[in-house]
Amino acid sequence: SQTIHQWPATLVQPVGSPLSLECTVEGTSNPNLYWYRQAAGRGLQLLFYSVGIGQISSEVPQNLSASRPQDRQFILSSKKLLLSDSGFYLCAWSEGQRNSPLHFGNGTRLTVT
Amino acid sequence: DAKTTQPNSMESNEEEPVHLPCNHSTISGTDYIHWYRQLPSQGPEYVIHGLTSNVNNRMASLAIAEDRKSSTLILHRATLRDAAVYYCILRDQGTGNQFYFGTGTSLTVIP
Repeated sequence: SQTIHQWPATLVQPVGSPLSLECTVEGTSNPNLYWYRQAAGRGLQLLFYSVGIGQISSEVPQNLSASRPQDRQFILSSKKLLLSDSGFYLCAWSEGQRNSPLHFGNGTRLTVT
Repeated sequence: DAKTTQPNSMESNEEEPVHLPCNHSTISGTDYIHWYRQLPSQGPEYVIHGLTSNVNNRMASLAIAEDRKSSTLILHRATLRDAAVYYCILRDQGTGNQFYFGTGTSLTVIP
């Protein structure tokens, strides 16, 4: 069966520090991969998605970036965090077919101080 | 980018059915309708999806209007564990596989 791993679960970082969040998927090949962010009390905002290795589409211009160095690995990064980057970050995957659902990881709660 | 409209909040009594509505008037013929729910401090959980016909699974039923411009998620007997935010979204294959979430419906279940 397929599983998705996302870490760390919680993170407290000072303003201006770098960020690296990692997500891996097991049990499937060539998945679509997604990064979402959820601010406190808000809905989910799609940040990046990827349909293959090295293929990244950005939905929202900001100081975050994403990379997909391997088929089932998706990384969210920032060189310098802002206070506004605080939130709940969620990685998700789906098959390529349009009738395939999204499967989410457990999320990373990021607090920028 | 969200293409669906849902009420912000709804309440239901425990053990009664719940009908959660969703409007998607701009749906295209290739869009699947997906429903997810999110418990506090957790990632969203897949509930059900469909294209044209009504769908049933162990968690819920999905009723899709004949013109596909609206749908309803039906929880047959609400329990306290069903209290969550429910999201209705469209999977748009035509524009690159994005899933856009709106603000969802916050369901409160009253004991």
